[in-house]
Amino acid sequence: EAGVTQSPTHLIKTRGQQATLRCSPISGHTSVYWYQQALGLGLQFLLWYDEGEERNRGNFPPRFSGRQFPNYSSELNVNALELEDSALYLCASSLERNRLTEAFFGQGTRLTVV
Amino acid sequence: AQSVTQLGSHVSVSEGALVLLRCNYSSSVPPYLFWYVQYPNQGLQLLLKYTSAATLVKGINGFEAEFKKSETSFHLTKPSAHMSDAAEYFCAVRPRNTPLVFGKGTRLSVIA
Repeated sequence: EAGVTQSPTHLIKTRGQQATLRCSPISGHTSVYWYQQALGLGLQFLLWYDEGEERNRGNFPPRFSGRQFPNYSSELNVNALELEDSALYLCASSLERNRLTEAFFGQGTRLTVV
Repeated sequence: AQSVTQLGSHVSVSEGALVLLRCNYSSSVPPYLFWYVQYPNQGLQLLLKYTSAATLVKGINGFEAEFKKSETSFHLTKPSAHMSDAAEYFCAVRPRNTPLVFGKGTRLSVIA
């Protein structure tokens, strides 16, 4: 069974540009979470989608947005990129109906803003 | 809001020595707690989880953790460290209707 897949693996953008990151959850999982892992800042929660709806949002500016498609895959968009957006972006999925189930993580997308 | 605190951003042990990584949680209700491991340039992998079924939880790779309500702790241990255990370890709590909240992580180094 395929795990959570993220694309691209690496992404280099210029300050002010837009970045789009993609995530495919494990088959059958309805929830997708996005986390930012910047150097020295740990894992910061960005967004949570479940059944196509945004369920929760972390303390990030509106230029961080996303969506979940009918097949439960998800996109994270970052507009007006800033140097401090450089980080590893991790996507995770879970079967949300049971809070006891763990979240499974992808390998991440390394975003570098120059 | 529920949170976890990991004591020690970096722990160094000798190969074969006991591994002890500390995690304390803040919660007014019984929490769901998790330990994840992250190897360099990879995502997170679940080591073990506590869901109130048993206070001593056994995970993968020989790790285990004990839930102690009186100390609000969920420390991760392994009797004998291997070189392959070198990684970053994250404790996390799952509050109701919110995603996982992670601690800041502890980097484990294993010295030969």
